[in-house]
Amino acid sequence: SAVISQKPSRDICQRGTSLTIQCQVDSQVTMMFWYRQQPGQSLTLIATANQGSEATYESGFVIDKFPISRPNLTFSTLTVSNMSPEDSSIYLCSVDGDRGTDTQYFGPGTRLTVL
Amino acid sequence: SQQGEEDPQALSIQEGENATMNCSYKTSINNLQWYRQNSGRGLVHLILIRSNEREKHSGRLRVTLDTSKKSSSLLITASRAADTASYFCATRSYGQNFVFGPGTRLSVLP
Repeated sequence: SAVISQKPSRDICQRGTSLTIQCQVDSQVTMMFWYRQQPGQSLTLIATANQGSEATYESGFVIDKFPISRPNLTFSTLTVSNMSPEDSSIYLCSVDGDRGTDTQYFGPGTRLTVL
Repeated sequence: SQQGEEDPQALSIQEGENATMNCSYKTSINNLQWYRQNSGRGLVHLILIRSNEREKHSGRLRVTLDTSKKSSSLLITASRAADTASYFCATRSYGQNFVFGPGTRLSVLP
């Protein structure tokens, strides 16, 4: 199993500012995933990040708003840019489980509140 | 898109009772999984059932899958207060990413 940490665990930000969320995995992984969970809602995939290539964004999410970096096989960042109150959510990163298990491991999440 | 949908949205039961949650989806899947989320934290994988399986057990958990009805159920037997959490089903098709259902908020009262 993979152990995933995220920083920060929570933050309160002002409208118009940006926040970068870090995701660290204790093992090398090919793909990392970023999800958004709006209050009381389910998870929505923002993008998939492969090391050495541009992230692949899901419909409704764009790179200018959610730039992602993937500098190596154990680390990724998601930036929420030019924030508005509608960006208040929990942001979670995840990785695929061991080959053949077809599951995902999730980080503890970053709870973002935008005022 | 294949959106998993769950019912009920919220469920409140007494400790010791069984809790049943249902999930429906729209398209063919490779597998269906259930995850638990405690109080807005990260998700924990509970159990996976493949499209060629009909029932699976893990401890106090029992999952069924009916591919003809495109539905699944999660049964938690002899519930405990520590089972209080949100439960999500997630479906995955070949070569596709996960799609999560809206979730069921379970409250187990002591």
